[in-house]
Amino acid sequence: KAGVTQTPRYLIKTRGQQVTLSCSPISGHRSVSWYQQTPGQGLQFLFEYFSETQRNKGNFPGRFSGRQFSNSRSEMNVSTLELGDSALYLCASSLEGLYSEAFFGQGTRLTVV
Amino acid sequence: AQTVTQSQPEMSVQEAETVTLSCTYDTSESNYYLFWYKQPPSRQMILVIRQEAYKQQNATENRFSVNFQKAAKSFSLKISDSQLGDTAMYFCAFMNNAGNMLTFGGGTRLMVKP
Repeated sequence: KAGVTQTPRYLIKTRGQQVTLSCSPISGHRSVSWYQQTPGQGLQFLFEYFSETQRNKGNFPGRFSGRQFSNSRSEMNVSTLELGDSALYLCASSLEGLYSEAFFGQGTRLTVV
Repeated sequence: AQTVTQSQPEMSVQEAETVTLSCTYDTSESNYYLFWYKQPPSRQMILVIRQEAYKQQNATENRFSVNFQKAAKSFSLKISDSQLGDTAMYFCAFMNNAGNMLTFGGGTRLMVKP
């Protein structure tokens, strides 16, 4: 059974650009959540999707957005990139979301220069 | 809002010995889940153990066990017979009542020495 796949693994972008990250959950999983990991702020929740609906959103500016497709794959988009957006972005999938085990991908390392 | 605090940024232990990682949390919810995740250098977060708040019995998973003190809002992880492969960052995490968001502690970097 394939795990959670995040693409790309590494990304370098320039300030002001936008970026789209992709997450393919484990087959059959309907919940996908996103987290930002930085040395200063640690792991912070971005948002969670279930069956194409955003169920919860963290305390991030509107530049951060996401969506989920009918096959449960999810994308997150960051517009007008800032240096502080440099981070490891982790995606996690779970069967139903509610208290079921979350399986994480290996993350996308975004560097903004 | 929930907060999770891990007071030990770094710890080390000799191979085969036992180590305990501390975690405290703050919440007004009565029903929730607590987790310990391991993040090795490969960066992939791996679930180590989970505890349902309504269960009084402490969770155990092979060499890993927790000491869950609900009244004290404490959730420590004990690793017995430490192995070199246990070297990693360990994160304590709180799952909210809605079950759709994890709040993580700052992490404890554990090094197992041969």
